[in-house]
Amino acid sequence: EVQLVESGGGLIQPGGSLRLSCAVSGFFVSDSYMSWVRQAPGKGLEWVAILYRGGRTFSADSVEGRFTVSRDISKNTVHLQMDRLRADDTAVYYCARTEGGPFDLWGQGTLVTVSS
Amino acid sequence: EIVLTQSPGTLSLSPGERATLSCRASQSVNNNYLAWYQQKPGQAPRLLIFDASTRATGVPDRFSGSGSGTDFTLTISRLEPEDFAVYYCQQYGTSRTFGQGTKVEIK
Repeated sequence: EVQLVESGGGLIQPGGSLRLSCAVSGFFVSDSYMSWVRQAPGKGLEWVAILYRGGRTFSADSVEGRFTVSRDISKNTVHLQMDRLRADDTAVYYCARTEGGPFDLWGQGTLVTVSS
Repeated sequence: EIVLTQSPGTLSLSPGERATLSCRASQSVNNNYLAWYQQKPGQAPRLLIFDASTRATGVPDRFSGSGSGTDFTLTISRLEPEDFAVYYCQQYGTSRTFGQGTKVEIK
């Protein structure tokens, strides 16, 4: 079964760090482009970062220098390392597959709450 | 950054009616690389349309996409009860950005 399952969300204080994971089944992360998309409570969707098949990464300006996307090929998992977290990073974070185009497969999301 | 503006913000319609949603880009979308997603409360988005007019696998043919350049449209020919949701457009021609969404609600 083709599936993405996110984990690692929770409550974190401003300035703290958190690492999200996206466990992939049904295809290989090494063969795919993988992205993170977030959605603040009651708001719209915001693209966060992408990891290309060859390993290159790009991030949105809003998280550039604070968030890093990576992968563990041996575990077929994608990660989002989030540092220097701010209150406006509070959101549901989705892992999504994109074959260089639209996001055709999504996980169920994991909630990150940044608050003191 | 390409800004996508969706209109209207909310569309109030009855089952069986036709829904027309608009997505306007601040600059031309390369290769018409534009997608539409449906999102229901508590769920992840679902891909409906990509490359402006190609239906994703399993999407009913009452959903259709059209447009090019800076103006794009999602049409739902006859609304079914399960179609009431929020719809987002997204461009992937230059980085990736989403519109702010259109809510289709029951009148």
